[in-house]
Amino acid sequence: EDKVVQSPLSLVVHEGDTVTLNCSYEVTNFRSLLWYKQEKKAPTFLFMLTSSGIEKKSGRLSSILDKKELFSILNITATQTGDSAVYLCAVHSTGGTSYGKLTFGQGTILTVHP
Amino acid sequence: DGGITQSPKYLFRKEGQNVTLSCEQNLNHDAMYWYRQDPGQGLRLIYYSQIVNDFQKGDIAEGYSVSREKKESFPLTVTSAQKNPTAFYLCASSKPGQNEKLFFGSGTQLSVL
Repeated sequence: EDKVVQSPLSLVVHEGDTVTLNCSYEVTNFRSLLWYKQEKKAPTFLFMLTSSGIEKKSGRLSSILDKKELFSILNITATQTGDSAVYLCAVHSTGGTSYGKLTFGQGTILTVHP
Repeated sequence: DGGITQSPKYLFRKEGQNVTLSCEQNLNHDAMYWYRQDPGQGLRLIYYSQIVNDFQKGDIAEGYSVSREKKESFPLTVTSAQKNPTAFYLCASSKPGQNEKLFFGSGTQLSVL
C-alpha cells in the first residue's frame, strides 16, 4: 500500500525563523512529489519535483527531492505570519490507471507567531 | 477570475438523510475530483471523473455517489449509507496530462446533527 508520512505534524515558530518540513514516502512506480499549501480552506500548489537533487525555489520557499532515500524537504526561510498554514505533501504514482494515483500525507500545521 | 466554487461552505445532515455538495469550475478542465479530509489524516479520494458522463470510484467511494452531466459540474451526494460523514470535503480539477497538479475549491464542512 502506498504511504506518505510527514513530520513534524505541527510546528510553532516565531517570525524570522527558518523551518524544515519533511516528507517520506513508499510508493510503487513513483512519478512525482508535490507540495501544497492549505491556508484557511483551499490547498494551492507550491512545487512539483521529479528528479533527485534539483532544488525548486520560489521566494523564501525551496524544496528538494531524494529518490534514493525516498524523502523530500520543504524549507521556508525568514518565516512570516502569512506562512501559517497546513503544508501537504503528495506523491503521484502510476497506480495502474490512466489517472495515476495521488497519495497525500497527513500534513504539517505551521504556526508563525509575530 | 477562473476557479472552483464549492457550496455550501457548511452543511448539516440529519440521520437517514442524503445531502448533495455542489462543485462548479470555470477553468475548462476535463478532470474533476472529490477528496475527503479528516483531522490527522491525508486527503482521501472519493470519486474522480476524467471526462463528461464518466466517473470512477476512488479509495473510499462507499456511501457516496456522483454525476458528471456537464463539464463544469461534479456534484457529490453523501447518502445515508455513509455512517461517518462528518468531514471536510474538497473538490478539485486538473488540466489534461497534469493529473497531479490539482486546483482546489474552498471546501464544504459537513457535520451530522
